[in-house]
Amino acid sequence: SQQGEEDPQALSIQEGENATMNCSYKTSINNLQWYRQNSGRGLVHLILIRSNEREKHSGRLRVTLDTSKKSSSLLITASRAADTASYFCASDEYGNKLVFGAGTILRVKS
Amino acid sequence: DVKVTQSSRYLVKRTGEKVFLECVQDMDHENMFWYRQDPGLGLRLIYFSYDVKMKEKGDIPEGYSVSREKKERFSLILESASTNQTSMYLCASSPLASYNEQFFGPGTRLTVL
Repeated sequence: SQQGEEDPQALSIQEGENATMNCSYKTSINNLQWYRQNSGRGLVHLILIRSNEREKHSGRLRVTLDTSKKSSSLLITASRAADTASYFCASDEYGNKLVFGAGTILRVKS
Repeated sequence: DVKVTQSSRYLVKRTGEKVFLECVQDMDHENMFWYRQDPGLGLRLIYFSYDVKMKEKGDIPEGYSVSREKKERFSLILESASTNQTSMYLCASSPLASYNEQFFGPGTRLTVL
């Protein structure tokens, strides 16, 4: 399968807690991205990390990339109810195409 | 604000019907994509296009065709809809210089009865 893998499949936390999602991919990449999808809607780009970067921050988001393990993680700090959504990683493993993971469903309880 | 629009949010069709899903972007992007999204499977690429009248097969092109007559419009066609094509269909676009940072439409939830 060309699909990346994410874990956990689902995550439920209390407002204010941190949420961590992990993603693995199969081959070498130029970059990896994370997207968010609110229920029944399209995806929204969150952050991109290049293969020569190890960590990147954007607001409450922190992304890490470990190319030796072919894995990435997304950390959302001080979560809010509005962060409830599905989160997908996408890697450019095949040059001109993005390969999406199956996603992590995050539920933040207020 | 960048914008990708899809012709319908919800669509119900019968088996054997020909179905057209339309996607329009106003960002002058060269690349456009069609994905289907199913629970537990993430997004799977059906077709993509990097220029007018150009198309490339994605991972699951069987049962689908596409048309790109104008730069801003990319159509997905189900020649003879089947129940296993019931799914969420997502259109996206990106600039030529990068296939990354794709901009997505709101999606069309298609049900084939």
